[in-house]
Amino acid sequence: QKEVEQDPGPLSVPEGAIVSLNCTYSNSAFQYFMWYRQYSRKGPELLMYTYSSGNKEDGRFTAQVDKSSKYISLFIRDSQPSDSATYLCAMSAGAGYSTLTFGKGTMLLVSP
Amino acid sequence: EPEVTQTPSHQVTQMGQEVILRCVPISNHLYFYWYRQILGQKVEFLVSFYNNEISEKSEIFDDQFSVERPDGSNFTLKIRSTKLEDSAMYFCASNTGGVNSPLHFGNGTRLTVT
Repeated sequence: QKEVEQDPGPLSVPEGAIVSLNCTYSNSAFQYFMWYRQYSRKGPELLMYTYSSGNKEDGRFTAQVDKSSKYISLFIRDSQPSDSATYLCAMSAGAGYSTLTFGKGTMLLVSP
Repeated sequence: EPEVTQTPSHQVTQMGQEVILRCVPISNHLYFYWYRQILGQKVEFLVSFYNNEISEKSEIFDDQFSVERPDGSNFTLKIRSTKLEDSAMYFCASNTGGVNSPLHFGNGTRLTVT
């Protein structure tokens, strides 16, 4: 079983749609969960950073973590064409200086 | 907003040659990292570096790889004798190492080994 699994997509939605992106993981030691956005030929850009289970909201983005199910989600409200990118989930067992384990990324395409 | 900068953006080299990839981490950050992403694959951890020494490395980071902080601002990754399979995007990242201190990534160096 892969450590972090993420549907590669592509996921195509019309502008204004609510987008749901998900990752599952197998390592119960993971405590810190991140979502990064990556545009083509660019580095990962941090969107959300959460610790343990629960929800976190930042503007149009909401991150959810369910540690009991080993399942994390990122919701994007009122999606825009500029949200078209690859979304990477990442997680670590420790804070700060711990190494990250990434999912493969989900490509999102938002059409005008 | 401060950012991690990497040079060059694209490096082409012949198999067997040495390459040095350069990074300038965010100035108040203390932990530095190299990750790589082979085309179509996951971003993978290579090495972390703190207080002028390697704190952790992955199986990928074998004797062909080395890292150095030659001065107060630069952080480098050297590949001694490149192989075709070293072709990838190499990302530098940094953070403060504190509890709520996620990694900030540079835009990467695309290494092509021919």
